Amino acid sequence: RKEVEQDPGPFNVPEGATVAFNCTYSNSASQSFFWYRQDCRKEPKLLMSVYSSGNEDGRFTAQLNRASQYISLLIRDSKLSDSATYLCVVKKAGSQGNLIFGKGTKLSVKP
Amino acid sequence: EPEVTQTPSHQVTQMGQEVILRCVPISNHLYFYWYRQILGQKVEFLVSFYNNEISEKSEIFDDQFSVERPDGSNFTLKIRSTKLEDSAMYFCASRGGIQETQYFGPGTRLLVL
Repeated sequence: RKEVEQDPGPFNVPEGATVAFNCTYSNSASQSFFWYRQDCRKEPKLLMSVYSSGNEDGRFTAQLNRASQYISLLIRDSKLSDSATYLCVVKKAGSQGNLIFGKGTKLSVKP
Repeated sequence: EPEVTQTPSHQVTQMGQEVILRCVPISNHLYFYWYRQILGQKVEFLVSFYNNEISEKSEIFDDQFSVERPDGSNFTLKIRSTKLEDSAMYFCASRGGIQETQYFGPGTRLLVL
């Protein structure tokens, strides 16, 4: 099983749509989880950290299910500017910051 | 807003040559990292650096790679004898002491011919 696994997409959605991305991770000892976004040929940028209780930041909601080792990201009211690749990221258990990246899910929001 | 910077943005080199990639982390950060991303693939961890020494490295980070923080502001990645498969985007990242968020620089695109 891959350490961090995501559906590669692409997800093609119209503006205003709600879209959900899923991610699974293999190491049950992992403690820290993130969603980053990456625009084409640019650096990853933190979108949000993911907490056990779930967290929301404007149109973005992240959820963590430790029992299923599953992380999700929900984007409501999609904007054209949300078009990017969304990276599920898990900090390696016991490390000082070795981040393990998924391959990413590509989102394209169309007018 | 403070940011991580990297130079050069692009580097082309011949196989077997040495390259040095430079990074200036955010000034009060304590932990520094190098990652790489081969075109079309995922971002991969190379090495982490704290308190002037390597704290962790991946299998990719073999004897051809080294890191240094020569002057308290720069953080460098050296590849001693480049191979074709070293062609990738190399990202530097840094984080503060308590928070876990890593901030990435814009990357150096390395092409080995």
